[in-house]
Amino acid sequence: RKEVEQDPGPFNVPEGATVAFNCTYSNSASQSFFWYRQDCRKEPKLLMSVYSSGNEDGRFTAQLNRASQYISLLIRDSKLSDSATYLCVVILPPNRGGSYIPTFGRGTSLIVHP
Amino acid sequence: DADVTQTPRNRITKTGKRIMLECSQTKGHDRMYWYRQDPGLGLRLIYYSFDVKDINKGEISDGYSVSRQAQAKFSLSLESAIPNQTALYFCATSATGSYLHFGNGTRLTVT
Repeated sequence: RKEVEQDPGPFNVPEGATVAFNCTYSNSASQSFFWYRQDCRKEPKLLMSVYSSGNEDGRFTAQLNRASQYISLLIRDSKLSDSATYLCVVILPPNRGGSYIPTFGRGTSLIVHP
Repeated sequence: DADVTQTPRNRITKTGKRIMLECSQTKGHDRMYWYRQDPGLGLRLIYYSFDVKDINKGEISDGYSVSRQAQAKFSLSLESAIPNQTALYFCATSATGSYLHFGNGTRLTVT
């Protein structure tokens, strides 16, 4: 089982729709959590950090559920420009000694159509 | 100017050649990483460093080596390139416990 898992999609939604992605992680001792956005062949860019209390940035809301070990990203009123791949990042504890390191899910593709 | 700069942006090389990818940063971060991205596989960690001369293997280090001689620079080498190392390579930096800042990537093709 992969340590950080995402549904690859694609999620194909009309403009104005609400869409939600989940990302599950295997280790309950994981620390920080983030959502990144990646456009085709470009570098990933931070979308938002994820906290247990939830956080919102405009049309985007991120949540962390530690009990069920997943994070979520909700996008409201989807725009054409939201079309991209959304990557979750989990800071995982080391398997055997070492340090916590950022580990990526494989990404979820979102296509917003007119 | 970019905070994390990768060179070259694109490179085509032949099987068996040695190649080096460079990464430099102006963010003052201690932590630097090299990731590789292949279609459908997401980003996979090759090597990471938390300080000058600190080197740690990631998930897929075989066939690669790195050097961290200064805080601002972290280079990735392919000693003898092979076609399945064709991929998009990203360098990233972070402060302790914080999020990653990426360079704009190096597209490497090994023929």
